[in-house]
Amino acid sequence: GAVVSQHPSWVICKSGTSVKIECRSLDFQATTMFWYRQFPKQSLMLMATSNEGSKATYEQGVEKDKFLINHASLTLSTLTVTSAHPEDSSFYICSAPQGLAGWGEQFFGPGTRLTVL
Amino acid sequence: AQKVTQAQTEISVVEKEDVTLDCVYETRDTTYYLFWYKQPPSGELVFLIRRNSFDEQNEISGRYSWNFQKSTSSFNFTITASQVVDSAVYFCALSEAGTSYDKVIFGPGTSLSVIP
Repeated sequence: GAVVSQHPSWVICKSGTSVKIECRSLDFQATTMFWYRQFPKQSLMLMATSNEGSKATYEQGVEKDKFLINHASLTLSTLTVTSAHPEDSSFYICSAPQGLAGWGEQFFGPGTRLTVL
Repeated sequence: AQKVTQAQTEISVVEKEDVTLDCVYETRDTTYYLFWYKQPPSGELVFLIRRNSFDEQNEISGRYSWNFQKSTSSFNFTITASQVVDSAVYFCALSEAGTSYDKVIFGPGTSLSVIP
């Protein structure tokens, strides 16, 4: 199957700093990618849909100014957590569909564990 | 709005027992996909199955089997002869044609512990 990578796999930062997480589709192109957040012992919650060449679409309750998404190419989407605080500590997972838009099989990245001190 | 319910928060079984994980979904669409994913302690999601709404045939893959019943909006997952390596969190998920098949909504998950 297709491969989606994330970098870094884990990151620890100080409160108030910004952190960038990359999501790459390694062997296919994706015009759309998705970002999820997962708190400990909870489910994956969809944060936003990243659209190549246009603005991301955020789910209700997600602060777009805090979670900046850039989908600059067909293989790369980035999520920047700005002015991170301890409550942003979470497991962030991206996914990308392969195939026809709206019919694709989803491929998930391995996740990035963010710890904000 | 679409919704996925997994009523079992945690399940513990003894190795070699069979276990069924329940999943009930809600959707207004007639066309949708259902999924099961496994999340071991490492955190990386493992895809198990994708089923479209027009295919109600039950599926078996090794020790895994799935029972899809549209009449009760359920998509249950059974592990036969469970093993310690099956210990993980299992998520049922749904995507529907109305919002785009690519937007996957996850249930709350069921944590399965298989005791040796």
